[in-house]
Amino acid sequence: EVQLVESGGGLVKPGGSLRLSCAASGFTFSSYSMNWVRQAPGKGLEWVSSISSRSSYIYYADSVKGRFTISRDNAKNSLFLQMNSLRAEDTAVYYCARDRLVGATRGNFDYWGQGTLVTVSS
Amino acid sequence: DIQMTQSPSSLSASVGDRVTITCQASQDISNYLNWYQQKPGKAPKLLIYDASNLETGVPSRFSGSGSGTDFTFTINSLQPEDIATYYCQQYDNLPRTFGQGTKVEIK
Repeated sequence: EVQLVESGGGLVKPGGSLRLSCAASGFTFSSYSMNWVRQAPGKGLEWVSSISSRSSYIYYADSVKGRFTISRDNAKNSLFLQMNSLRAEDTAVYYCARDRLVGATRGNFDYWGQGTLVTVSS
Repeated sequence: DIQMTQSPSSLSASVGDRVTITCQASQDISNYLNWYQQKPGKAPKLLIYDASNLETGVPSRFSGSGSGTDFTFTINSLQPEDIATYYCQQYDNLPRTFGQGTKVEIK
């Protein structure tokens, strides 16, 4: 069974940093592109970042470019999101999500974690 | 960025009704469109990919159609468990963008 479990969320002050993790199991993690998608409280979904299976291709939303860094450790079946210079508008539930097709960074998110809440407030 | 416009933003229908949601892209995205279902407090679930392909395990009362800029998502015979917010999402271009969502309620 495919499982994605996020962790690392919490309360942080504006300008602070946080590192999110996503532990994957039940599939060959190293074969799939992975993504972060966020959802502000009561709002819709916003794509944040994508990373290809071997980290060759990395993409960011303009809203986080230069502040967030996506990475992965295929040996540990883990995905990460390093978030720096956090702003109030980064407050959201952050989901990790798998790309549906092996070897492709296509944008079909077929499995999602339960999400981890990041709150940026003084 | 490609803007995705869903309508309506919410709807109320009776059990057994046919429900239709539309999604319009600000430019041609071919058939690179997904539909997701999100129940309160839960992660989104992929229902439809490539505009009209049903994800494995998804009930056949859900369907999608369209290409180019205009897309339709249909629930044939609405069930109580279908109460959720539905989102379209394009993957023709980066950034991936979602519609604002359609909240479906039971009348």
